[in-house]
Amino acid sequence: DVKVTQSSRYLVKRTGEKVFLECVQDMDHENMFWYRQDPGLGLRLIYFSYDVKMKEKGDIPEGYSVSREKKERFSLILESASTNQTSMYLCASRDGTVKGYEQYFGPGTRLTVT
Amino acid sequence: RKEVEQDPGPFNVPEGATVAFNCTYSNSASQSFFWYRQDCRKEPKLLMSVYSSGNEDGRFTAQLNRASQYISLLIRDSKLSDSATYLCVVITSGTYKYIFGTGTRLKVLA
Repeated sequence: DVKVTQSSRYLVKRTGEKVFLECVQDMDHENMFWYRQDPGLGLRLIYFSYDVKMKEKGDIPEGYSVSREKKERFSLILESASTNQTSMYLCASRDGTVKGYEQYFGPGTRLTVT
Repeated sequence: RKEVEQDPGPFNVPEGATVAFNCTYSNSASQSFFWYRQDCRKEPKLLMSVYSSGNEDGRFTAQLNRASQYISLLIRDSKLSDSATYLCVVITSGTYKYIFGTGTRLKVLA
């Protein structure tokens, strides 16, 4: 069974703080993703990493950065948290070497910025 | 226009009913299609892929209509446990991007 874990289920931070969200997968997947999910907007891609140290911007990268130093770990960084970054953050991974496209999601981190 | 559109619902149906959802997509180069299920406050999970010829998995049937650019999900004999949000997902050929619809909420009532 694929397992994707995220460091926190709930997080409360203050405006201006630097925030780190961690994601770890145990299936040796090449591809990893960070999304945010907001009511009425669905899941929106923030960043994508297709391999270690490789990353690409998604649809809404502003205010975020990422780090992928090891294959199993993909970190999302909010450089200076703002209230409009209050959201549910979902990490996902996928095996990039076969035709199967299934993404496996972590349980999500509900971030509140006050 | 959104790339992927779904009726948000909610669809309230009695147990045992048949219910169908549609999802329209705007990019004719879209190549791969999926339905994901998301329970309240949980992560999305793959329900089924959608193949050109249509496919069935137990009580669930998925169809693709490329000419009209929509996919559908049919659920027969609805169970209380089918209550969830169903997300339509589209991938465009040659990209890694998964485009998610905003989801259709289903409530199956006893």
